[in-house]
Amino acid sequence: AQKITQTQPGMFVQEKEAVTLDCTYDTSDQSYGLFWYKQPSSGEMIFLIYQGSYDEQNATEGRYSLNFQKARKSANLVISASQLGDSAMYFCAMREATSGTYKYIFGTGTRLKVLA
Amino acid sequence: GAVVSQHPSRVICKSGTSVKIECRSLDFQATTMFWYRQFPKQSLMLMATSNEGSKATYEQGVEKDKFLINHASLTLSTLTVTSAHPEDSSFYICSASLPGQAYQETQYFGPGTRLLVL
Repeated sequence: AQKITQTQPGMFVQEKEAVTLDCTYDTSDQSYGLFWYKQPSSGEMIFLIYQGSYDEQNATEGRYSLNFQKARKSANLVISASQLGDSAMYFCAMREATSGTYKYIFGTGTRLKVLA
Repeated sequence: GAVVSQHPSRVICKSGTSVKIECRSLDFQATTMFWYRQFPKQSLMLMATSNEGSKATYEQGVEKDKFLINHASLTLSTLTVTSAHPEDSSFYICSASLPGQAYQETQYFGPGTRLLVL
């Protein structure tokens, strides 16, 4: 079963506008972490933002914020004031414990294109 | 801080040869490193988890004899693709966990290695 679901394969947004990238997750763990990464065409994975399952406040990092709705198991990424350089693939990921260790599970990604 | 390097960035090799990819955490000690594989336009697939001083834990379906992982120190992990074949051509990315409170550890990625097997 898919543990991280990103339902938007592609998104367009006008420059300077805000955009929300959806992510839902499935876990039975009480302690887990949620992450968003950006992957430009160069291939590198750039860490954007983190939300812990026990964090009561939504995480924010500059123009990035994470809309964490625990009961709905969603962790949407909001990018405000989009810039042309934001065009990239965006991956949602979850860190969960498995058999005494932990691993990160990635969604299928959303390709964001910012329009001038 | 939290910089992870990977070498080489790109490699082309002949079928049947072995290729070694290095992953280094430059400004922190990483007890755990991860190796991923990514096919074009697809997500990252975890291949194995590498802990310093112990054997790597491979994901189901990943051949441990094909993809040899060595985590010799707290800053270096290597992935060796043995007897590479064209189907092994892919983008290989490593990551290292920045130690923190258990569930808060964030992983930082290397820039990736594009492997092309002819």
